[in-house]
Amino acid sequence: RKEVEQDPGPFNVPEGATVAFNCTYSNSASQSFFWYRQDCRKEPKLLMSVYSSGNEDGRFTAQLNRDSQYISLLIRDSKLSDSATYLCVVNAYAGNMLTFGGGTRLMVKP
Amino acid sequence: DAGVTQSPTHLIKTRGQQVTLRCSPKSGHDTVSWYQQALGQGPQFIFQYYEEEERQRGNFPDRFSGHQFPNYSSELNVNALLLGDSALYLCASSFGTSVYNEQFFGPGTRLTVL
Repeated sequence: RKEVEQDPGPFNVPEGATVAFNCTYSNSASQSFFWYRQDCRKEPKLLMSVYSSGNEDGRFTAQLNRDSQYISLLIRDSKLSDSATYLCVVNAYAGNMLTFGGGTRLMVKP
Repeated sequence: DAGVTQSPTHLIKTRGQQVTLRCSPKSGHDTVSWYQQALGQGPQFIFQYYEEEERQRGNFPDRFSGHQFPNYSSELNVNALLLGDSALYLCASSFGTSVYNEQFFGPGTRLTVL
């Protein structure tokens, strides 16, 4: 079993749609959680950190459920520019060693 | 403020050769981590350098080695290249090794092994 699992997609949605991605992680000792965005053939960039209380940044909302070991990302009012691969990332070990999921590909169409 | 830089951007090698990739961290950062990203997969942690020492290591063979210099820049060396080593190699820097510190990624070096 992979340490961080995501549905690879692709998710094909029209502009303006709301889309949700989910991710599960296996290490209950995981300490910090992130969503990164990666455009085609580019480096990953931090989209947002994820907290147990949930957090929102504009059209993006992230949630963490430690009991279920489940992380989610909700994107409202999708834009064409949201098309990318979204990587669920967990930091399970001391020393800031990131463990990535395989990524979920999102394609927003006009 | 320069971000993380990596060189070269692309590299083509043949099986059995050796390769060295270079990384300069973001200004003010002292910790460098290396990741391997195969096509269609998420990045996998190779190792991390802090205070010129390897602090953490992922599940990679000894063919993968590294170094950190006093100016915090880092090198990744891969010996006896295999076809399966073809990937995007990403360097990430952060300030310190806390799990809560954001890691900033460089643009990567795309290695092709023929």
